[in-house]
Amino acid sequence: DAGVTQSPTHLIKTRGQQVTLRCSPKSGHDTVSWYQQALGQGPQFIFQYYEEEERQRGNFPDRFSGHQFPNYSSELNVNALLLGDSALYLCASSSSSGSSYNEQFFGPGTRLTVL
Amino acid sequence: AQSVTQLDSQVPVFEEAPVELRCNYSSSVSVYLFWYVQYPNQGLQLLLKYLSGSTLVKGINGFEAEFNKSQTSFHLRKPSVHISDTAEYFCAVSATGNNRKLIWGLGTSLAVNP
Repeated sequence: DAGVTQSPTHLIKTRGQQVTLRCSPKSGHDTVSWYQQALGQGPQFIFQYYEEEERQRGNFPDRFSGHQFPNYSSELNVNALLLGDSALYLCASSSSSGSSYNEQFFGPGTRLTVL
Repeated sequence: AQSVTQLDSQVPVFEEAPVELRCNYSSSVSVYLFWYVQYPNQGLQLLLKYLSGSTLVKGINGFEAEFNKSQTSFHLRKPSVHISDTAEYFCAVSATGNNRKLIWGLGTSLAVNP
């Protein structure tokens, strides 16, 4: 089992550009959550996808959007990049079935630098 | 809404000494509580969690934490640390239920010195 994988590992963009980050969930998982972790900070919840729909959303502007595909993989898109979007973007996957709690497993992240 | 406060941004400690990393939370609803560890240039790994039941929870790598509802705290402890425990530690909270968003503290950097 490869666990949660994310691509690319690192990315450098300039202000105003658009970026797409990708996440493949752990085998058997159907729910994907995205978090932004700025340098020296804790992660902040961006949104969560289940059944190809956004189910929960944090306090992020509409420039941040996502998508989930039928195979449960997910993309995070950020438009009109700002310097403040520079961060580690973490993807977490989990299962929707069974008990009242299923652990979220995190990928290694994508480091985005906006110049 | 929930919030998390990690009371120490940095904790230096000598190898084989005990350590406590402090975490307080606030919430108007019932919560689950978590501690995660992040090694340099790696993702987050779950150390332990409190969902319900016994207030003392044991996790991986010899860590344990105690849920104190009256003090709204969930402090992480280890009786004897190793050099390999050097990492960033995050306390997180979510509302009860499956797949709720995690709300995170700012993290505590644990530096274990020989």
